[in-house]
Amino acid sequence: EDKVVQSPLSLVVHEGDTVTLNCSYEVTNFRSLLWYKQEKKAPTFLFMLTSSGIEKKSGRLSSILDKKELFSILNITATQTGDSAVYLCAVKTSYDKVIFGPGTSLSVIP
Amino acid sequence: GAVVSQHPSRVICKSGTSVKIECRSLDFQATTMFWYRQFPKQSLMLMATSNEGSKATYEQGVEKDKFLINHASLTLSTLTVTSAHPEDSSFYICSAREGGKRETQYFGPGTRLLVL
Repeated sequence: EDKVVQSPLSLVVHEGDTVTLNCSYEVTNFRSLLWYKQEKKAPTFLFMLTSSGIEKKSGRLSSILDKKELFSILNITATQTGDSAVYLCAVKTSYDKVIFGPGTSLSVIP
Repeated sequence: GAVVSQHPSRVICKSGTSVKIECRSLDFQATTMFWYRQFPKQSLMLMATSNEGSKATYEQGVEKDKFLINHASLTLSTLTVTSAHPEDSSFYICSAREGGKRETQYFGPGTRLLVL
């Protein structure tokens, strides 16, 4: 059975802290791994990862994929209150299926 | 963990026909279900929010007569694309939220629609 697991499920940090969110997966015919940030309405796309070991960066956010160990991490440095959201990890398969993880709820307090 | 299924996973239809996509929560009661459309570059657009037993709330720009949503039970919501056109071809994803659990949404695996 295809599955995506995220940890922790929730996290509270202070502004300025660095956080690492984890995503591990077991799927058939992996194609890509996606990270989203969900605040109110639709999740906002952050990164798509297809190759191991290549870090993707966008401002204070970065992510990397390990296809051998079947996991990805999302790092957020110097967190701000605006980073408070649910972060979703999803895996796309070559069967055109998307499996979402349960999400990590991040709260950044001043 | 909670499971949401979608059926069919893939559908090809002719232009002008209607297509129904089902979204089911398998092991929990979903008081609220959401329908998204995924665009190239992976962005998700929220189309509508449906609450069991009441009319769906559509996002701005989404035609409610074109995309009919029915949430008749606590475990099933359907999206019907009426008179489908090639530009409706997309990946449609539903998610479900369990009653009383505001924070957690469980996503379905998506339905790929191709309109010829």
